[in-house]
Amino acid sequence: QVQLVQSGAEVKKPGASVKVSCQASGYTFTSYYMHWVRLVPGQGLEWMGILNPSADSASYAQKLQGRVTMTRDTSTSTVYMQLSSLRSEDTAVYYCARANRFDYWGQGTLVTVSS
Amino acid sequence: QAVVTQEPSLTVSPGGTVTLTCGSSTGAVTSGHYPYWFQQKPGQAPRTLIYDTSSKHSWTPARFSGSLLGGKATLTLSSAQPEDEADYYCLLAYSAARVFGGGTKLTVL
Repeated sequence: QVQLVQSGAEVKKPGASVKVSCQASGYTFTSYYMHWVRLVPGQGLEWMGILNPSADSASYAQKLQGRVTMTRDTSTSTVYMQLSSLRSEDTAVYYCARANRFDYWGQGTLVTVSS
Repeated sequence: QAVVTQEPSLTVSPGGTVTLTCGSSTGAVTSGHYPYWFQQKPGQAPRTLIYDTSSKHSWTPARFSGSLLGGKATLTLSSAQPEDEADYYCLLAYSAARVFGGGTKLTVL
């Protein structure tokens, strides 16, 4: 069965970077793009970008351009989302979601940015 | 970037019907925006209910339906159940980008 398993919670200081992983199983990894979405407390869901695991290319939300990088490792069927220059407003739960009509989601990774 | 608008909150009685809407700052929502609807409950990952305006996943309860009406995407819940109390988000596509609405908190009371 399809599963997306994300890495554990992180606590970071302002200005630092965070890298969240999402390991896929149960399907051909390179056959489906992967979205990253975050749930910001009090604000709702925000689309961050989409990665093509086959081409290792990504498209990012305009708001996050220059701070977000999405990559993949085909040997472990894992996608990564790195966010740099963290601010308190980046405190959120981060999700990966398979881009086949958003049919499968990871369990979420809480990233807390606090001094 | 476009702004996607939803009602902040709605209330429906058990067994009742409610319609949530999703508008776009760029004009009418069309099938070309490939509207999605998601349900999210506290502590859970979002669950996709509707894609491409009106298509359902195998797990989508029959009481949920999607359409376009009056220049907006709509999600209609018929015969609401207590377990339908949740936050609902729409998502629209703008070329390669996607934008979520602010979400609707639905209370079943």
